[in-house]
Amino acid sequence: ETGVTQSPTHLIKTRGQQVTLRCSSQSGHNTVSWYQQALGQGPQFIFQYYREEENGRGNFPPRFSGLQFPNYSSELNVNALELDDSALYLCASSFERSSGNTIYFGEGSWLTVV
Amino acid sequence: AQTVTQSQPEMSVQEAETVTLSCTYDTSESDYYLFWYKQPPSRQMILVIRQEAYKQQNATENRFSVNFQKAAKSFSLKISDSQLGDAAMYFCAYRSSNSNSGYALNFGKGTSLLVTP
Repeated sequence: ETGVTQSPTHLIKTRGQQVTLRCSSQSGHNTVSWYQQALGQGPQFIFQYYREEENGRGNFPPRFSGLQFPNYSSELNVNALELDDSALYLCASSFERSSGNTIYFGEGSWLTVV
Repeated sequence: AQTVTQSQPEMSVQEAETVTLSCTYDTSESDYYLFWYKQPPSRQMILVIRQEAYKQQNATENRFSVNFQKAAKSFSLKISDSQLGDAAMYFCAYRSSNSNSGYALNFGKGTSLLVTP
C-alpha cells in the first residue's frame, strides 16, 4: 500500500460529457502528478501540482485541467470527453518537487468513454 | 523530450531462473534518474529500483539489479531467482533533473514478464 487513494475506481461516461477524478496523496506529500495510461501503453504525464499550483504539464489539451487543495488532495477534470480519453488515470504523490524523490502511485481510475 | 524504448514486448522465464529486461533512452542531459516500475494486474505502479545517473555503481535491491551504461544510454533490469509473483508488466522510466519538465516520469511501453513453474 502506498497511501495514495483514488476514486472512483471505474466509471463510464458518454462522449461530450465531463468527468472529475479524485486523489488523496500520501500523508505529508505536497506534490501530486496525474498520468494517463491507454491500454497497452506506458503512462503519459498530464500535469503536476505543487502546493496548489500547476508547475509542469505534458502534451495534453486545455480540456484536461486540475486542482490541488490545501490538504494536498487533487482533482483531475476532463471536459468534452472523447472516445480516445478512455484509459487508466493514475495519480502519484511525492514529498516536494524534486527529481530525486520517490513517487508513489495510486491504483488508478478506469475511465471508459462510449 | 526524452524517449524511453523497451524493445521486448514480452519475456518469459522459468521459476528460479534469471531474466534481463532491456531499456534504452535518449537524452542530452547529464543529470537524471532512471527507474524500473512493476505493474501487476491490480494496475498499481510499484517502484522496483532506481538509479541516479551521477552514480557509477549499479543499483541493487535484493533479487533485482540494474546494468547502467551511461555512455550507451542503456538501463537493463536483471531479476534473479525469479518467482511467480514477479509476473507483471515492467516499465522503464526516465526523470529529468530539470525543473522545467515538472520532474515528469517518461515511461517506455513496457515489457510483459511471464513466469512459468
